[in-house]
Amino acid sequence: EVQLVESGGGLVQPGGSLRLSCAASGFTFSSFEMNWVRQAPGKGLEWVSYISSSGSIIFYADSVKGRFTISRDNAKNSVYLQMNSLRAEDTAVYYCAREAKSYTDNYFDYWGQGTLVTVSA
Amino acid sequence: QSVLTQPPSASGTPGQRVTISCSGSSSNIGSNTVSWYQQLPGTAPKLLIYSNDERPSGVPDRFSGSKSGTSASLAISGLQSEDEADYYCAAWDDSLNGYVFGTGTKVTVL
Repeated sequence: EVQLVESGGGLVQPGGSLRLSCAASGFTFSSFEMNWVRQAPGKGLEWVSYISSSGSIIFYADSVKGRFTISRDNAKNSVYLQMNSLRAEDTAVYYCAREAKSYTDNYFDYWGQGTLVTVSA
Repeated sequence: QSVLTQPPSASGTPGQRVTISCSGSSSNIGSNTVSWYQQLPGTAPKLLIYSNDERPSGVPDRFSGSKSGTSASLAISGLQSEDEADYYCAAWDDSLNGYVFGTGTKVTVL
């Protein structure tokens, strides 16, 4: 059974840092691309970042570029999101999402349960 | 920031058919396939439709998707109370080099 379990969320002051982790199990992690998607309270979904299976290709949303860093450790079956210079507008539930294995299509076939990040003084 | 436009709400009585639209542009829906996600209250999103019109195993055939040009649609036929949820479309955007989501549609079963 595919499982994605996020951790590392919490309360942080504006300008602070936080590192999110997503532990994967139930599939060959090193073969899959991974993403982070967030959802502010009462708002819609917003894609945050993508990392290829090897970690060599990375993309970010403009809203987090230069502040967030995505990485992965295939030996530990985990993907991470290092968040620096946090702002109030980064407050959201952060989901880890697996990208389906397809040569022609892009979509998320499995999601974690999410971890809440609150940026507030 | 959402780039794909959806109606904020849709509703119907049990058994009715409800359709949700998703409008994009040439760099996203016009160039790539569309997926749809269902988010029940208090839970994580779940894949509902992929590759414009394909259903993952376990998703009832009451749910169907379509795409034409730079727009896509999700139809729910035989609406049931458990279909009350938020629905989001998504696609890869070649100009942004990232995914874009729809603004989301809340479906209410009257």
